[in-house]
Order: sequence, then structure tokens, then C-alpha cells
Amino acid sequence: DAGVTQSPTHLIKTRGQQVTLRCSPKSGHDTVSWYQQALGQGPQFIFQYYEEEERQRGNFPDRFSGHQYPNYSSELNVNALLLGDSALYLCASSPADRELGYTFGSGTRLTVV
Amino acid sequence: AQSVTQLGSHVSVSEGALVLLRCNYSSSVPPYLFWYVQYPNQGLQLLLKYTTGATLVKGINGFEAEFKKSETSFHLTKPSAHMSDAAEYFCAVSLTGNQFYFGTGTSLTVIP
Repeated sequence: DAGVTQSPTHLIKTRGQQVTLRCSPKSGHDTVSWYQQALGQGPQFIFQYYEEEERQRGNFPDRFSGHQYPNYSSELNVNALLLGDSALYLCASSPADRELGYTFGSGTRLTVV
Repeated sequence: AQSVTQLGSHVSVSEGALVLLRCNYSSSVPPYLFWYVQYPNQGLQLLLKYTTGATLVKGINGFEAEFKKSETSFHLTKPSAHMSDAAEYFCAVSLTGNQFYFGTGTSLTVIP
């Protein structure tokens, strides 16, 4: 049973560019959340998608947007990249029973130069 | 508002010694509590969770944690450290199981 799959694993972008990160949730999971983990920090919640809609959002600017498809896969888009956006971006999926917790992917390492 | 404080950003223990990683949370109501482990260049793996019921929770790889409401703590322990336990450990709190608030992590080093 495949877990959470993220692509690409590594990415280098230039300031001002736009980037799209992709996530396929674990089989049987319908909810996808995105987290940003800066170097030496804990993950910070960006937003969560359920039934193709953004259900909850953390304290991130509108430059961060997302999408969820009918097959539950998800994308994270970041516009007008800043150097400070360099981080590990983690996708996590969960089933309808939130008490079971998240299953995390291995992340996409984004470097903005 | 919820938050998590992990005391000690770096902890070193000898192989075979007790592992104790500290986590205190702030929440207006009893939350869900989680411990995750992160190995280099990998995502987070769930070690254990507390939702309701028994306050002593057992997880994978011999880890356990006890929810102490009066102390707002959820410390992680393991009786005997193994070299493979060296990793970054994160405590997390959530009210609904949706948005998680993570601590800043504790890096565990196991000395042979």
C-alpha cells in the first residue's frame, strides 16, 4: 500500500518565479494538508483540502494557494517566490476519522535563489 | 490558541539508557496529542497519539508517552535507547485533528 507520494523531491527556483508541488494521498485518505518546514523548525500548517475545497488555512499569504482533485490528489502553488520560501514542503493525508492522525510524505525540498 | 513547547532542542543519551523527551502544550480544552519522528531527508512518521481514554499511550519502537492534564505535558520515553533512535522528534497538538501545531523539535543523539 503506497503511502503519501510527493513530487518533485527537490526543486530550485529563482526569486519571483512560481512553483507547483504535487501530492498523492495514501489510499483511503480523502483529506490533504500542506505544511512548510523551514530548516531547524517544526512544520507550519499552510492549509487543508477536503472535498476539493480549502477547509482551513494557516497564517500564510495569498501567494500560497492550492487545489484538490476528485481523486483526492493535491497541488500547492506558490507565486512570486521569496528567498524565505526555501523550505521542505510536506504533504500529509488523513482519513475521515481525524483521530487517526496524518500520514506524511517525504516532502519536496524547495530552494529559492 | 494552541502551542507546543519542547524543552531541549538537543538531547544526548548513551545506548541502553533511558530516553526522555519533554513536551508541554497550551490548549483551552483537552487536545489530541501526537509524537512524530523524522529521519534525515525524510517526512514525519507517527510514533504514537493520545486522543481519549488511557493516558499512558504506547507507540512503535518501544516508545510511550503519558498525558498529564494537570501538568499539560505529554513527555515521550523509551526505557533503553538504541542507535537507530537517533533522529528528530516532534510533539504536536490539535483540537480537531485538522490543523496540527508542532513544536520546534528535539534532536536525539545516541552515544555508543
